[in-house]
Amino acid sequence: DAKTTQPPSMDCAEGRAANLPCNHSTISGNEYVYWYRQIHSQGPQYIIHGLKNNETNEMASLIITEDRKSSTLILPHATLRDTAVYYCIVESYNFNKFYFGSGTKLNVKP
Amino acid sequence: GAVVSQHPSRVICKSGTSVKIECRSLDFQATTMFWYRQFPKQSLMLMATSNEGSKATYEQGVEKDKFLINHASLTLSTLTVTSAHPEDSSFYICSASRTESYEQYFGPGTRLTVT
Repeated sequence: DAKTTQPPSMDCAEGRAANLPCNHSTISGNEYVYWYRQIHSQGPQYIIHGLKNNETNEMASLIITEDRKSSTLILPHATLRDTAVYYCIVESYNFNKFYFGSGTKLNVKP
Repeated sequence: GAVVSQHPSRVICKSGTSVKIECRSLDFQATTMFWYRQFPKQSLMLMATSNEGSKATYEQGVEKDKFLINHASLTLSTLTVTSAHPEDSSFYICSASRTESYEQYFGPGTRLTVT
């Protein structure tokens, strides 16, 4: 079962930062937080992942709270092409399985 | 790098027939492959996990005799939907991971329609 909860949808203006929250209050000490996104009718695309430190790559930044019970994905300058469903996943150390929650539908508007 | 392909991308079959979906890791050796199913407007649901050369591990509620998984090599896994029925119509997605990374690389998905 998914160990994460996310808001079902969010709106963001084009060019502004999109901040997507995720709660994972039951995360274990050796479990990573992954973020993927899925554009309609495609396979999920990897965005970023982290364990306890904040992470940044060319796509996004990941902020993980000190107690690791929640995290925020930040898209610094959202574009229309960032419209997608964003999934926050806590990777199970048991065979590295991904259990997807319902995700957040991000609508980037012009 | 880390590209996963699926074939076919779309398939339509008649009720009662079987259909095979292939998942290939194109530029890396996949120690583990995963199969997911996604119904319209729903999230991905993990169906099974397969390791090369061993039997797949199915999630609770997934019929192993209906969804046959073969992971014959480090670059190929197949999912066969046997005796397909209209309720099996769905988007099937595979992913692959490699030893040095827990990241999963997803294929583009296969749209199955059973008439």
